[in-house]
Amino acid sequence: QVQLQQSGPGLVKPSQTLSLTCAISGDSVSSNRAAWNWIRQSPSRGLEWLGRTYYRSKWFNDYTMSVKSRISINPDTSKNQFSLQLSSVTPEDTAVYYCARGGVAAAGALDFWGQGTLVTVSS
Amino acid sequence: DIQLTHSPSFLSASVGDRVTMTCRASQGISSSLAWYQQKPGKAPKLLIYAASTVQSGVPSRFSGSGSGTEFTLTISSLQPEDFATYYCQQLNSYPTTFGGGTKVEIK
Repeated sequence: QVQLQQSGPGLVKPSQTLSLTCAISGDSVSSNRAAWNWIRQSPSRGLEWLGRTYYRSKWFNDYTMSVKSRISINPDTSKNQFSLQLSSVTPEDTAVYYCARGGVAAAGALDFWGQGTLVTVSS
Repeated sequence: DIQLTHSPSFLSASVGDRVTMTCRASQGISSSLAWYQQKPGKAPKLLIYAASTVQSGVPSRFSGSGSGTEFTLTISSLQPEDFATYYCQQLNSYPTTFGGGTKVEIK
């Protein structure tokens, strides 16, 4: 059974960088049958996909345009995890952040999710 | 980006009712649609992918149909644990996008 365990601070100051990690068990970040995603949810924006990383003979990343200049999603094969970094945050980045697996067997749908991390951007 | 619109946004129903909700896409997405259930304070849970394939472990009372721009999620006999918010997600093109959800509440 795949499990995703999120970690990272729940409070970030404006203009700083939000950093979260998602540790994977039961699968590999290097799997060629999965993609590793970050999604956030807020009352104002609903569910918003932020980006993903995946390995298909080499590493690929996709990001949504609204945060593309500020986001980085990176795999860590030594720890079997992946991370989210979002720079220059503002209060509008306050949300619950989720990591999730996109499974090839589920036609790319998000079949396993982390527990969620409420990140508040405030001084 | 492809927009997804749920209808209704809010649905009041009783245990045992047959419930149907719709997700409409702003352009054709073939069958590249997933449905999720979310309860308060929890992550979304995958119910249906590829428009009509029920995820392993999901009760058979859940079913999905549709292709192109119109999709439906049906719960054949609503159970107490089904009161939640349901979201659709399109996977036809990136960025993948989600609808705003249908909230199912107890009548």
